[in-house]
Amino acid sequence: EVQLVESGGGLVKPGGSLRLSCAASGFTFSSYTMNWLRQAPGKGLEWVSSISSSRTYIYYADSVKGRFTISRDNANSSLYLQMNSLRAEDTAVYYCARDSGSWSSDYWGQGTLVTVSS
Amino acid sequence: QSALTQPASVSGSPGQSITISCTGTSSDVGGYKYVSWYQQHPGKAPKLMIYEVSNRPSGVSNRFSGSKSGNTASLTISGLQAEDEADYYCSSYTSRSTLGVFGGGTKLTVL
Repeated sequence: EVQLVESGGGLVKPGGSLRLSCAASGFTFSSYTMNWLRQAPGKGLEWVSSISSSRTYIYYADSVKGRFTISRDNANSSLYLQMNSLRAEDTAVYYCARDSGSWSSDYWGQGTLVTVSS
Repeated sequence: QSALTQPASVSGSPGQSITISCTGTSSDVGGYKYVSWYQQHPGKAPKLMIYEVSNRPSGVSNRFSGSKSGNTASLTISGLQAEDEADYYCSSYTSRSTLGVFGGGTKLTVL
């Protein structure tokens, strides 16, 4: 069974940093592109970042470019999102998701809430 | 403002069929086969229902179907059931970004 479990969310002040983790199991992690997506409270979904299986291709939404860094550890089936210079508008539930290979995400974690507030 | 346009809400009675539209441009929905649909119940993670315009992942009911005409994609749910009440989001590849785009979401109410 495919499982994705995010952790690392919490309350942080504007300008602060946070590192999200996603532990994957039930599939060959090293073979898949992985995605981070987010959903602000009461709002819709937004792609945040994507990393290919061998880290060759890394993409960011314009809204986070230069502030967020995606990475992965294939040996430990883990995905990460380092978030720096956080802003109030980064407040959201952050989801880790497996890319299906057709510009969609076929498995999602339960999400972790990031709240940026003073 | 979302890149793809969806109606804010739709409703239907049990057993009926409903269709949710998702309108984009030739740079996204109209130009590529990479349109997907997600179902999201309150407090839960999204679930992939349709990928590549009309394909259903394993385990998704055949009551859910997808199609596309021009710049508009559609999700049709037939034989509405109470458990179909949820938010639905469309998503598409876009040539204007290195990441995909989403619609604003549609709240489906089963009367």
